[in-house]
Amino acid sequence: QVQLQESGPGLVKPSETLSLTCTVSGGSIINYYWSWIRQPPGKGLEYIGYIYNSGSTNYNPSLKSRVTISVDTSKNQFSLKLSSVTAADTAVYYCARGYYVWGDFDYWGQGTLVTVSS
Amino acid sequence: EIVLTQSPGTLSLSPGERATLSCRASQSVSSSYLAWYQQKPGQAPRLLIYGASSRATGIPDRFSGSGSGTDFTLIISRLEPEDFAVYYCQQYSSSPPMYTFGQGTKLQIK
Repeated sequence: QVQLQESGPGLVKPSETLSLTCTVSGGSIINYYWSWIRQPPGKGLEYIGYIYNSGSTNYNPSLKSRVTISVDTSKNQFSLKLSSVTAADTAVYYCARGYYVWGDFDYWGQGTLVTVSS
Repeated sequence: EIVLTQSPGTLSLSPGERATLSCRASQSVSSSYLAWYQQKPGQAPRLLIYGASSRATGIPDRFSGSGSGTDFTLIISRLEPEDFAVYYCQQYSSSPPMYTFGQGTKLQIK
């Protein structure tokens, strides 16, 4: 059974960089779109981006200038960095496995709340 | 970017009733790339339907998906108490690669 677990600071100051890591267990990190999705409190889901097979990335154009997603296959982990954060970046951040055949997200982490505040 | 619009925003029904949720796309979506999720408070979304009509592993057969082009539907044939939640549709477009979600339909107990 594939499991994903997010980790990282729950509080980030405005203008700083949000950094989160997702640890994948129970399955290979190869040949899937390892993705980040966020959900502001009380709102809907927003796709942030994915990384595929250690190199290929795709980012939501609305966040592209501030987002970097990377992967460490030796640790079965992938990471998110979001720079120059503001209060609008306060959200629950989910990592998820994207399956390219069907374009869906079949496994999700439990999510972690990141608050941007001084 | 393809925009997904879900309706209604809120649906109030009783257990045992049939729920019909709609997802309309601003341009044609490949049926292979349309999914539905259920989200309960404090939980991550759970994949229900992929490829517009295929149930994910472990999903009861009271959940069914249909549609093509720009109009897609999720039907819950007989509502159980645990089905009251928020439902999202999601699409993937390959050129350029992009995922988008609908704004959600809240299914609440009447």
